[in-house]
Amino acid sequence: DQQVKQNSPSLSVQEGRISILNCDYTNSMFDYFLWYKKYPAEGPTFLISISSIKDKNEDGRFTVFLNKSAKHLSLHIVPSQPGDSAVYFCAASPSSWANFGNEKLTFGTGTRLTIIP
Amino acid sequence: DAGVTQSPTHLIKTRGQQVTLRCSPISGHKSVSWYQQVLGQGPQFIFQYYEKEERGRGNFPDRFSARQFPNYSSELNVNALLLGDSALYLCASSFSRGSYNEQFFGPGTRLTVL
Repeated sequence: DQQVKQNSPSLSVQEGRISILNCDYTNSMFDYFLWYKKYPAEGPTFLISISSIKDKNEDGRFTVFLNKSAKHLSLHIVPSQPGDSAVYFCAASPSSWANFGNEKLTFGTGTRLTIIP
Repeated sequence: DAGVTQSPTHLIKTRGQQVTLRCSPISGHKSVSWYQQVLGQGPQFIFQYYEKEERGRGNFPDRFSARQFPNYSSELNVNALLLGDSALYLCASSFSRGSYNEQFFGPGTRLTVL
C-alpha cells in the first residue's frame, strides 16, 4: 500500500526552465511534508518542507505547494540548473514528529530529474 | 563538521548469514533512524532510537533488530539473511528545529545477499 506516490519516474527539463515534480498521498494523518534530493552514492539531502497549515513555502529557487483537499504537493525549481539533476523524493510524516516520539518518514518512489544543458 | 557516517560502505553476504551495520550520528544529535532502500523504491522506515530507547518500528520482521549506544551511535542487525534483504541501508540522525526534527542521512551501506 503506497501511501506516498510519485507517478513520474523521470523528468527531463531544459536548463533555465521550470521543473515541476509532483507527489500524491493517501494518509490523512500526514501533517508534514518534505522533499529530499539524492545523488548516486550519497544519502538523501533535505531540500525543503511544508507544514499542513501552509499551502506554500519558498526557499530560493525551490518552492513547495500543498493542496490538502487534493492530497497533492508539488516542488517547483526555477530556474533549473544542471546541478539539479538527481533523484527527488517526496516524504511525509504525522504531526507527532515534533517531540522525537515518531520520526517515521514515508517516502515516495522518487522522480529522476535530468536537466538538459 | 562531520556528517552522519556509516560502515561498512559495501557488504556481500550469503543467505542465512547475519550482518551488523554501524552508524555514527552528527555530533549533538541524539536520535537515529534506519531506513531500507530497495532498488527502484524510496527509503522504507525500519527503526528509530532516541536516547537509547526504541521510539518507532516499521513493518519489518523480527530478524531485524537495532540498538543505540551511550554515545548515540547505533547498530542495525539482520539475522538469517534473505535475498530480498539486498538493499541500501540508510541511517539518519536528527535534532529539533522546534516545530519539526530535520533528519540528516548518511551515505548508506550497500548490502548484497547472494
